[in-house]
Amino acid sequence: EVQLVQSGAEVKKPGESLKISCKGSGYSFTSYWIGWVRQMPGKGLEWMGIIYPGDSDTRYSPSFQGQVTISADKSISTAYLQWSSLKASDTAMYYCARHGVGYCSGGSCSPLYNWFDPWGQGTLVTVSS
Amino acid sequence: EIVLTQSPATLSLSPGERATLSCRASQSVSSYLAWYQQKPGQAPRLLIYDASNRATGIPARFSGSGSGTDFTLTISSLEPEDFAVYYCQQRSNWRITFGGGTKVEIK
Repeated sequence: EVQLVQSGAEVKKPGESLKISCKGSGYSFTSYWIGWVRQMPGKGLEWMGIIYPGDSDTRYSPSFQGQVTISADKSISTAYLQWSSLKASDTAMYYCARHGVGYCSGGSCSPLYNWFDPWGQGTLVTVSS
Repeated sequence: EIVLTQSPATLSLSPGERATLSCRASQSVSSYLAWYQQKPGQAPRLLIYDASNRATGIPARFSGSGSGTDFTLTISSLEPEDFAVYYCQQRSNWRITFGGGTKVEIK
């Protein structure tokens, strides 16, 4: 069974750093892009970025570029989302989700398809003084 | 960036009725559109990919149609478990966007 399991809820203060995780199992972790999606309280879904664990190629939404860092450790099949200095406005549920299998040509690997499946269970991040 | 506009924002229907949800793209996305269902306290679940293909395990009452800029998700006969929020999503040139969502609520 393909599964993504995320780390537990976090409560942090403004200015603190944080790294949350997403562990994949049941498939070739290095062969599929993984994305991160934010959902603020009572709001819709916002795409943050995607990473290809095979070579750590990472693409960010312009809205999140420079605000977060996405990384992956393929040796333990885990992707990460991190902040260096949290703000109260970072309070949200964060989901990871498997994106397309990598189609590699000319030295780079693009997602072969465009949807997200499956999704992790979500990590609730609360930032409050 | 391609903007996805979903309508209506809220759909009030009774069990057994037909639900028709719309997703309009600001420019063509060909058939590269997906639909998700999200229930309170749960992660989103893929329903439809490439505009009209049901994901594994999705009941036949869910169907998707459209191409280019206009897409529709239809639930032929609403079951109690179908009352939820539905999102559309596309990827184009390394930019992924979601629509704002349609809430299907019990009338």
